[in-house]
Amino acid sequence: GDSVTQMEGPVTLSEEAFLTINCTYTATGYPSLFWYVQYPGEGLQLLLKATKADDKGSNKGFEATYRKETTSFHLEKGSVQVSDSAVYFCALMDDYKLSFGAGTTVTVRA
Amino acid sequence: EAGVAQSPRYKIIEKRQSVAFWCNPISGHATLYWYQQILGQGPKLLIQFQNNGVVDDSQLPKDRFSAERLKGVDSTLKIQPAKLEDSAVYLCASSPRTRQETQYFGPGTRLLVL
Repeated sequence: GDSVTQMEGPVTLSEEAFLTINCTYTATGYPSLFWYVQYPGEGLQLLLKATKADDKGSNKGFEATYRKETTSFHLEKGSVQVSDSAVYFCALMDDYKLSFGAGTTVTVRA
Repeated sequence: EAGVAQSPRYKIIEKRQSVAFWCNPISGHATLYWYQQILGQGPKLLIQFQNNGVVDDSQLPKDRFSAERLKGVDSTLKIQPAKLEDSAVYLCASSPRTRQETQYFGPGTRLLVL
């Protein structure tokens, strides 16, 4: 079945550091790929998405490129802020069903 | 536009007790989802409604979990009787229609079963 594997956390960074969270997937079809973010005390929010190979999703300085050849969708941000502290979930959608990774907790220190 | 509302936000019960969670989706959203998020894991779909009909409940432990969406608007998820392993965050999400990529999530209800 479909599955998502993402980098284990927690990840602790200093402000302005470069962030990357690895995500790989297994799917039988051609899924859409997502990154969701969960800030403390809040619900999951869609951060970005890509619907086909080589698409790049971007939002709030975050980027991820759909790489079909490596079945990956790694999340990157060039300069993180304290406000980026959250749990990040990689997910895939196949036949309109979402499958999530386990989440990666990111803490950014001032 | 108001988001997905859930209540209560937190609940502590003893095993074998019953508990119910409520969700009010975004106005006009036909599709409603309940997810279970166990600590350290990603959300797992329990049940999906389209209006007041069930689209997918293949992952719902039907011996103890039940859900309804009367009138196709708000929804209730019940656990009876609860087990220790039911301790999790229960997330509700909605989308305008079934075959829609973007789901909008509520803040969740955190359940602790002692």
